[in-house]
Amino acid sequence: KQEVTQIPAALSVPEGENLVLNCSFTDSAIYNLQWFRQDPGKGLTSLLLIQSSQREQTSGRLNASLDKSSGRSTLYIAASQPGDSATYLCAVRPRRDDKIIFGKGTRLHILP
Amino acid sequence: GAGVSQTPSNKVTEKGKYVELRCDPISGHTALYWYRQSLGQGPEFLIYFQGTGAADDSGLPNDRFFAVRPEGSVSTLKIQRTERGDSAVYLCASSATGQGHNEQFFGPGTRLTVL
Repeated sequence: KQEVTQIPAALSVPEGENLVLNCSFTDSAIYNLQWFRQDPGKGLTSLLLIQSSQREQTSGRLNASLDKSSGRSTLYIAASQPGDSATYLCAVRPRRDDKIIFGKGTRLHILP
Repeated sequence: GAGVSQTPSNKVTEKGKYVELRCDPISGHTALYWYRQSLGQGPEFLIYFQGTGAADDSGLPNDRFFAVRPEGSVSTLKIQRTERGDSAVYLCASSATGQGHNEQFFGPGTRLTVL
């Protein structure tokens, strides 16, 4: 059974720092991995989707990597800003399943 | 174009009542998914439709939960005899097909509160 783990559960960093959020998954047989952002009381905003054949994706200050063989992904945020404060969710689409499996998220707080 | 929409955005009901939550997928998307997100948790799968039929309902917690998609577009999630433990955000997603490489696009969710 696929499980997704995100560490740390919460993170506070000063504005301007670069930071890394971690995601691990137990079964490497996946179609893709996706990072989402969720603001309090809001829905999910897709940030980056990495297909299983890819190793990374970039969008602006965000870079996500995928190491399928080790079951790991990282989301790198450069030059963090207070507006980056949110919960970041990692999710995988297993090959043996119809659904997306989510981690519990990392709550990020950027200190002004 | 328009994304996935869900109505209502918020629903407050009393224990034991019946509720319906609606999802309008992206036009032309054949696959539709329902997820439930409890406080402090990631979303968890409930049911997946391919066209009009429920292809996988393994995530529905019990027989109080039911969902339909009669014309292969709009879907309704129905909860009978609501309980306080049903309080959560219910998220709907759609994708072009059910194939694994297709991205699922999420709606804003319906926040259900059972008093």
